[in-house]
Amino acid sequence: DIVMTQSPDSLAVSLGERATINCKSSQSILYRPDNKNLLTWYQQKPGQPPKVLIYWASTRESGVPDRFSGSGSGTDFTLTISSLQAEDVAIYYCQQHYGSFTFGQGTRLEIK
Amino acid sequence: EVQLVESGGGLVQPGGSLRLSCEVSGFTFSSSWMTWVRQAPGKGLERVASIKPDGSDKYYVDSVKGRFTISRDNAKNSLYLHMNSLRAEDTAVYYCAGDILRGQGTLVTVSS
Repeated sequence: DIVMTQSPDSLAVSLGERATINCKSSQSILYRPDNKNLLTWYQQKPGQPPKVLIYWASTRESGVPDRFSGSGSGTDFTLTISSLQAEDVAIYYCQQHYGSFTFGQGTRLEIK
Repeated sequence: EVQLVESGGGLVQPGGSLRLSCEVSGFTFSSSWMTWVRQAPGKGLERVASIKPDGSDKYYVDSVKGRFTISRDNAKNSLYLHMNSLRAEDTAVYYCAGDILRGQGTLVTVSS
């Protein structure tokens, strides 16, 4: 199985500041026929199911604020929140579906 | 619009059985790998089982091998998880997923 490793495990950022979460896969998850990275980012708040933020590494889900962006290719990926809002406090997960289906361990984002 | 609706969860005694169902719409179910994912209270997301589009290949996490069976009915766009010999540690919210997790989940509680 492809192992997904997120960093950091937890993060505290001031309101209005940038938050950056990293996700590294143990092998490339670039699907060459489509030239798409098979990586999804989720946000999960307490008592709620995970919510899709970004898919194909950089495509924002409909309705997701544009302060959320995804980047990266191959094995290294980043989720960026450009200006942290109070409602962004949550746990964030990356997930790949290249040949299998695995999640990172999650990153807890809090307000500093 | 992609929709995955899980059902069948509930309270069951240790050693008991349960069958989860997932009804899918909005994508080509019959050509998609499908996966059951679970999240125990306070824990991260864990792949439980996956099944090939034609049902000929299946994956199980070690902790459920021999107790859980994943199956599908492509004519009904439905995915199933048969769970036997349930243990307290199987308590979790169970989600079904194609390439991306989009369901609301169903809660399974194993307790006497």
